[in-house]
Amino acid sequence: AQSVTQPDIHITVSEGASLELRCNYSYGATPYLFWYVQSPGQGLQLLLKYFSGDTLVQGIKGFEAEFKRSQSSFNLRKPSVHWSDAAEYFCAVGAQAAGNKLTFGGGTRVLVKP
Amino acid sequence: DTAVSQTPKYLVTQMGNDKSIKCEQNLGHDTMYWYKQDSKKFLKIMFSYNNKELIINETVPNRFSPKSPDKAHLNLHINSLELGDSAVYFCASSNRDAGELFFGEGSRLTVL
Repeated sequence: AQSVTQPDIHITVSEGASLELRCNYSYGATPYLFWYVQSPGQGLQLLLKYFSGDTLVQGIKGFEAEFKRSQSSFNLRKPSVHWSDAAEYFCAVGAQAAGNKLTFGGGTRVLVKP
Repeated sequence: DTAVSQTPKYLVTQMGNDKSIKCEQNLGHDTMYWYKQDSKKFLKIMFSYNNKELIINETVPNRFSPKSPDKAHLNLHINSLELGDSAVYFCASSNRDAGELFFGEGSRLTVL
């Protein structure tokens, strides 16, 4: 069975500071990995995804994530946070063998201080 | 053009009632999903259909019945609503081989 852990429930950062959100997954084979963002009252928007190849993936809005198989991690980073980045961030793991089911972590809420 | 659209966006109803949420996608995807997001923002898959065939059915009470009239539509009918059914229900779609899910904006159900 696949599972995802996001250890940080809340993170507060100052505008302009860097951001890193942690994600650890559990899956027996090579997973598909995703980061989604959810703004208040909105649906989920895909930030980036990893299927194979280069372990450092670039996404939208200046986000990037690095897949580390040895650590079963897929952490999300942004060098300089903007106030509009305040949102809930979800890491997810999926696999074609699982009917393309995505299993989500519990989310990390990011608050941005001016 | 909305890619994945759900209606209604808000639904307030009494316990014991029956209600439906509709979902349509215009992305040409072959797989559609229902996810439930609880008050703590936890997202859990409920159902998945591929070309109108049920492929994922998680542990969901049988009061919940999905229906897929065609591969562009996946509706969710809920019988005998309970307080614990209050949540935001998200519809999503993908191509089965692609992995990435596209989500609708959610339908917030409140059961009083």
